Amino acid sequence: KNEVEQSPQNLTAQEGEFITINCSYSVGISALHWLQQHPGGGIVSLFMLSSGKKKHGRLIATINIQEKHSSLHITASHPRDSAVYICAVNSRDNYGQNFVFGPGTRLSVLP
Amino acid sequence: ETGVTQTPRHLVMGMTNKKSLKCEQHLGHNAMYWYKQSAKKPLELMFVYSLEERVENNSVPSRFSPECPNSSHLFLHLHTLQPEDSALYLCASSQEVTRVGGYTFGSGTRLTVV
Repeated sequence: KNEVEQSPQNLTAQEGEFITINCSYSVGISALHWLQQHPGGGIVSLFMLSSGKKKHGRLIATINIQEKHSSLHITASHPRDSAVYICAVNSRDNYGQNFVFGPGTRLSVLP
Repeated sequence: ETGVTQTPRHLVMGMTNKKSLKCEQHLGHNAMYWYKQSAKKPLELMFVYSLEERVENNSVPSRFSPECPNSSHLFLHLHTLQPEDSALYLCASSQEVTRVGGYTFGSGTRLTVV
């Protein structure tokens, strides 16, 4: 069983739809990250969370430490949101030395 | 441009070739990392360098040989690779190895071994 799991694996949405991507983890963490990887490989860090909720533009990330679960929401989705979204955690056992990555969710937003 | 530059962007090499991947950062970071992203698999950490010293090697085969001549440059030397080594190789940097968050990734090198 992977330490970090994501659902769904693949997601296709119509432009304007509200999108939710879920992440669950089984290890103790010091922080959770949501990353966005565009076609071609470039990775951008969207959020780092240790509790609660963060919002940036149309993106919202939440985390529930007790349930070991995080969600990434995209409101009013747009084709430029098409990318792979990766959940990653800083495992507390590793003193935040490195990430444990989830498998990613491939999002396609159709015009 | 994220501040972490990787070259080349694409590389095709035969199994008997020797090539090198280069990563450069001018963010003043002290830690640099090599990650491998294979198709349909999560990102895998390969090597961690802190102040030019290797601090972690995650059971990577010896056909991958990292080099960190200074805190701004990181190389991954490749020799006698296998087709299954075809993947996206990502470099990242952070201020310190133990810092939570603050990672900056390069755009990656897409490697194809034929």
